[in-house]
Amino acid sequence: EVYLVQSGVEVKKPGESLKISCKGSGYRFTSYWIGWVRQMPGKGLEWMGIIYAGDSDTRYSPSFQGQVTISADKSISTVYLQFNSLKASDTAIYYCARARGSDYMDVWGEGTTVIVSS
Amino acid sequence: AIQLTQSPSSLSASVGDRVTISCRASQDIGRALAWYQQKPGKAPKLLIYGASTLESGVPSRFGGSVSGTDFTLTISSLQPEDFATYFCHQFNTYPLTFGGGTKVDI
Repeated sequence: EVYLVQSGVEVKKPGESLKISCKGSGYRFTSYWIGWVRQMPGKGLEWMGIIYAGDSDTRYSPSFQGQVTISADKSISTVYLQFNSLKASDTAIYYCARARGSDYMDVWGEGTTVIVSS
Repeated sequence: AIQLTQSPSSLSASVGDRVTISCRASQDIGRALAWYQQKPGKAPKLLIYGASTLESGVPSRFGGSVSGTDFTLTISSLQPEDFATYFCHQFNTYPLTFGGGTKVDI
């Protein structure tokens, strides 16, 4: 069975950096794209960007370009989402999800809750 | 970026009702649209892709259709477990985008 397992809850202060992870199992990791989706409290879904696990080809939404970095370590079947300087407005649940082609997302992680507060 | 406008933003229905949710794209996306269901505290779940193809394991009471840039998700007979928020998602053009969501109350 296909799983995406995400890292746990993070509580950080404004200005701090953070790297959250998403580990795939049960499928050929390097043959799929993995995307990241943000959900702010009580709000909808926002597509942040996507990475091809085989060669780390990455695409970003203009809304998130320069604000986050998506990377992958295929040796451990893990994709990352990195924040360099957190803001309170980064408080959200961040989902990773496997994409069929580079398209719709068929398998989702459980989400990582990030809380940024002074 | 392609905008997806979902309507209504919320609706109340009874068990057994036929429910329709609309999603209008701001430009032609062909059939490159998916629908997801999200229950409180859970990750989204893929229901439909390619505008009308049912994902494996999804009950047949869910259906999707398209006419031009207007997409529709239909639940033919609403069940108690269908209480959730539904999102459309276009995958025709980067950046990929989601609709604002439709909350279905039973």
